[in-house]
Amino acid sequence: NAGVTQTPKFRVLKTGQSMTLLCAQDMNHEYMYWYRQDPGMGLRLIHYSVGEGTTAKGEVPDGYNVSRLKKQNFLLGLESAAPSQTSVYFCASSYSMGNPADNTQYFGPGTRLTVL
Amino acid sequence: SQQGEEDPQALSIQEGENATMNCSYKTSINNLQWYRQNSGRGLVHLILIRSNEREKHSGRLRVTLDTSKKSSSLLITASRAADTASYFCATDQRGYSSASKIIFGSGTRLSIRP
Repeated sequence: NAGVTQTPKFRVLKTGQSMTLLCAQDMNHEYMYWYRQDPGMGLRLIHYSVGEGTTAKGEVPDGYNVSRLKKQNFLLGLESAAPSQTSVYFCASSYSMGNPADNTQYFGPGTRLTVL
Repeated sequence: SQQGEEDPQALSIQEGENATMNCSYKTSINNLQWYRQNSGRGLVHLILIRSNEREKHSGRLRVTLDTSKKSSSLLITASRAADTASYFCATDQRGYSSASKIIFGSGTRLSIRP
């Protein structure tokens, strides 16, 4: 199993450009998450999905959109990138939130995004 | 503010020594998890402790949970150079079934000196 994969690994954007980050998992997990990590800070949840076709806002959703058309994929979109969105983005997945034993999150390697 | 706050923010110890990191949180939880992040990599799950558990072991890791003090500690015994990483606690708040209530702390940066 590849686990959780993210593409691309690095990206540089100009202010106002758009892009989509792709997250894929092959563990048949129900839940998927997008986080951003900024220097000296923990992870902050952007959006999450509890199943195919469903998405919800996390702690810092402004400026981002997501889609979960297939169970194994979770896309994060930036419609008009801003320098404040310069960050490292991590995708994660977990089986479910209902059973405390099952909500261990499995993380991708991250995407380093710079917005100029 | 963060639900989980790690202490200290940074820790440097000699190889072979024990490392202790602490996590404090504010509200009741279902469980608390510890993750490790090597530089430039994603987080890796280390251990989960449920709210009705007080102590848990996994190899050289020992986690304690004191729900009355709303705190947890992670002890790494006989540290090795490969333990150099950042360590994060993550709390799953009680009463919520939403994934948005898993909150990560800001982490402890652990450095092991040879």
